[in-house]
Amino acid sequence: AQSVTQPDIHITVSEGASLELRCNYSYGATPYLFWYVQSPGQGLQLLLKYFSGDTLVQGIKGFEAEFKRSQSSFNLRKPSVHWSDAAEYFCAVGIMEYGNKLVFGAGTILRVKS
Amino acid sequence: NAGVTQTPKFQVLKTGQSMTLQCAQDMNHEYMSWYRQDPGMGLRLIHYSVGAGITDQGEVPNGYNVSRSTTEDFPLRLLSAAPSQTSVYFCASSTGIWANGYTFGSGTRLTVV
Repeated sequence: AQSVTQPDIHITVSEGASLELRCNYSYGATPYLFWYVQSPGQGLQLLLKYFSGDTLVQGIKGFEAEFKRSQSSFNLRKPSVHWSDAAEYFCAVGIMEYGNKLVFGAGTILRVKS
Repeated sequence: NAGVTQTPKFQVLKTGQSMTLQCAQDMNHEYMSWYRQDPGMGLRLIHYSVGAGITDQGEVPNGYNVSRSTTEDFPLRLLSAAPSQTSVYFCASSTGIWANGYTFGSGTRLTVV
């Protein structure tokens, strides 16, 4: 069955430090991969997506993610974290089931300390 | 362009009550879906629709009904609320083309007491 694993429930980084959020997926076909961010009390905002081609994708707010097929991973990175990046981050895989369905990971809560 | 609008933002229900969560989009998207978000579980699909007049069940449909009489609206009905339905509910819409992604509403926080 399709699944998405985000191993880190919480991550705390200092402002200005680099960030990497991990995501592993299980899906037999070529995956459509997404990262969403949710600020407190808000909906989900799309950060970036991967379908094919260049395995390093750029998103909004200075985020990037790298698709590694051999590791079934799609890790999110940012070189320098800002206090406003504190939020919950969800990795998701899109599958051709239930219409077009997104299967979400459990999320990683990012805390930024000054 | 309002995107996906959900109402209400907050709701408290008593066990056994019924209610409808509203969702409307103004992007002419064919695909619409309802997810529930629970701590440590990410978002799970409740029901979805691939066009007006067409709905189907997702992963966790029990206790919920939907209808899609227009392209714009996709209400979610709780038939007899239970404490296990305490959650945050998100409506999402899409063109059906992955490259365009999904647009999410801001959510409805529901508490059943």
